[in-house]
Amino acid sequence: AQSVTQLGSHVSVSEGALVLLRCNYSSSVPPYLFWYVQYPNQGLQLLLKYTTGATLVKGINGFEAEFKKSETSFHLTKPSAHMSDAAEYFCAVSGVGAGGTSYGKLTFGQGTILTVHP
Amino acid sequence: EAGVAQSPRYKIIEKRQSVAFWCNPISGHATLYWYQQILGQGPKLLIQFQNNGVVDDSQLPKDRFSAERLKGVDSTLKIQPAKLEDSAVYLCASSFLAGGRGKTQYFGPGTRLLVL
Repeated sequence: AQSVTQLGSHVSVSEGALVLLRCNYSSSVPPYLFWYVQYPNQGLQLLLKYTTGATLVKGINGFEAEFKKSETSFHLTKPSAHMSDAAEYFCAVSGVGAGGTSYGKLTFGQGTILTVHP
Repeated sequence: EAGVAQSPRYKIIEKRQSVAFWCNPISGHATLYWYQQILGQGPKLLIQFQNNGVVDDSQLPKDRFSAERLKGVDSTLKIQPAKLEDSAVYLCASSFLAGGRGKTQYFGPGTRLLVL
């Protein structure tokens, strides 16, 4: 089984400030981890993902995340926030599905709404 | 490359009525997913198809929800009869590779359902 906890349902930053969105996971198998972004009235778009290899993952729009196994975390960061970053962000883990199969089922956290102030 | 298409974008129905949603995945994508996203929550997988076979429907309320993927391409999700708690956004996603956990899922814009 797998689960995701996103700490903070709302995060507010000033334009140019550091963005830090927190994600902790639980997984019965080595996790594959994802961050998706959702703009209003749109579907989800992949920002970045970790499968194996380098634990620091770079994604689109200047975002990056670091997989820390000892802390069961996969926090998302961006050095300098832009107004266009305002959206809802979802962390997800791909574990196993029904019967222990590995067909890529994603389990999502509850989401973090990022607000960027001028 | 065209993305995942969904229709309708919005639907308002009375409780106990039926409703159907349509999804056309990205061409060539073997795997198709339907998620339910209730306001304030993350998406929850309802059903996953690989080609035209179901590989996971463990969270699909089968007494009222049904889904099919004819010929391994388009898919339809139906609710009959609808309940108030079915109000949500229904997201369709697809991915290229069959099997494996690291594949990227591409999401459509969703269908927003309101049950009155």
